This record gives sequence, C-alpha cells and structure tokens, in this order.
Amino acid sequence: KAGVTQTPRYLIKTRGQQVTLSCSPISGHRSVSWYQQTPGQGLQFLFEYFSETQRNKGNFPGRFSGRQFSNSRSEMNVSTLELGDSALYLCASSLGGGRYGYTFGSGTRLTVV
Amino acid sequence: AQTVTQSQPEMSVQEAETVTLSCTYDTSESDYYLFWYKQPPSRQMILVIRQEAYKQQNATENRFSVNFQKAAKSFSLKISDSQLGDAAMYFCAYFYNNNDMRFGAGTRLTVKP
Repeated sequence: KAGVTQTPRYLIKTRGQQVTLSCSPISGHRSVSWYQQTPGQGLQFLFEYFSETQRNKGNFPGRFSGRQFSNSRSEMNVSTLELGDSALYLCASSLGGGRYGYTFGSGTRLTVV
Repeated sequence: AQTVTQSQPEMSVQEAETVTLSCTYDTSESDYYLFWYKQPPSRQMILVIRQEAYKQQNATENRFSVNFQKAAKSFSLKISDSQLGDAAMYFCAYFYNNNDMRFGAGTRLTVKP
C-alpha cells in the first residue's frame, strides 16, 4: 500500500514568488491535513480538507490556501512568499479524521531566499 | 484551547536501557485520543502508539508503552531496551472530535552505544 506522497521534496523560492505543494494521500483516505514545521514554532496546523471541503483552518494569513480534488489529492499554495515561510511542510492523511492517527508524508522543505 | 506540553527538550539513554519521555496536556473534554509520533532525520513522522482516553488500560506496542494518567492529564512514553534506531524527535499529540491534532514541542532522544 503506497504511503503519503509529497512533491517536491525540496524547493527554493525567492521572496514575493508563489509556490504550490502537492500531497497524494493513502488510497481510500478522505482527510488531508497540512502542517508547517519550524525549529522555533514546532508543528503548526494550517488546514484540513475532507471530501473536497475545508473542515478546519489554523491561524495563518490568507496567503496560505489549499484545495482538495475529487481523488483526495491536495495542494497547498503560498502566495507572496516571505522569508519566514521557510519551513518543512508536512501533509498527513487519515480515513476520516485523526482519531486513529495520521499517516504523514516526508514533507516538502521550502526555502525562501 | 487544548495544549500539549513536553517539558524535556532533550533526553539521552544508553543502548538497551529504558527511558521515559514526559507529556502533559490541557483539556476540558473527556473523550479524546492521545498519540506519540517519532520523527527520525528522514523527516517522516511515524505513529508509535495511540491511546483512547476512555480506556483505562495503558497502550503497549512491543518495546513502547505509555503511562496514561487521565486525572493528572499526563501521558508519558516508556521505551524499553532502547536501540540505536530509536534516536529521533518524539512528539506527543492530542486529538478531539474532528478538530486539528495538537502537537507538543518535541523531545530529542539520543541513544548512546
């Protein structure tokens, strides 16, 4: 059974640019959550999508957005990148929520220069 | 708001010995889920163990066990017979009712040969 696939693994962008990250969940999983991980702030919740609808949203500015497609694949977009957006972005999938735990991808390391 | 606290930023253990990682959380709910995740240098978060709050019995997965004290809101992880491959960041996490999963700041575990 394939795991959670995140692409790309590494990304370098310039301030002011925008970026799109992709996440393919485990087959059959309908929930996809996104987290930002930094040494200073730890794991911070961005948003969760369930059956193409945003179910939960964290406390991030509107520059951070996401969507989920009918095949449960999800993308997150960050517009007008700032240096502080440099982080590891983790995607996690689950059948219908977190009660059984999440399965995480290996993350996308975003560096903004 | 639910918060998760890991008071030990770093811990070390001798190979084959036992180590306990601490976690406390704050909640007013009675039916929730607790988890321990491991994040090795490969970056992928791996689910180690899961505990349902309405079950008094402590969860066990091979060399990993928890001490769940619901009244004290404490959820510690015990690793027995520590192995070099156990070296990683360990995160305690809380989940309730289709909200986002909340993570502690993590404990970096070093295993000495």
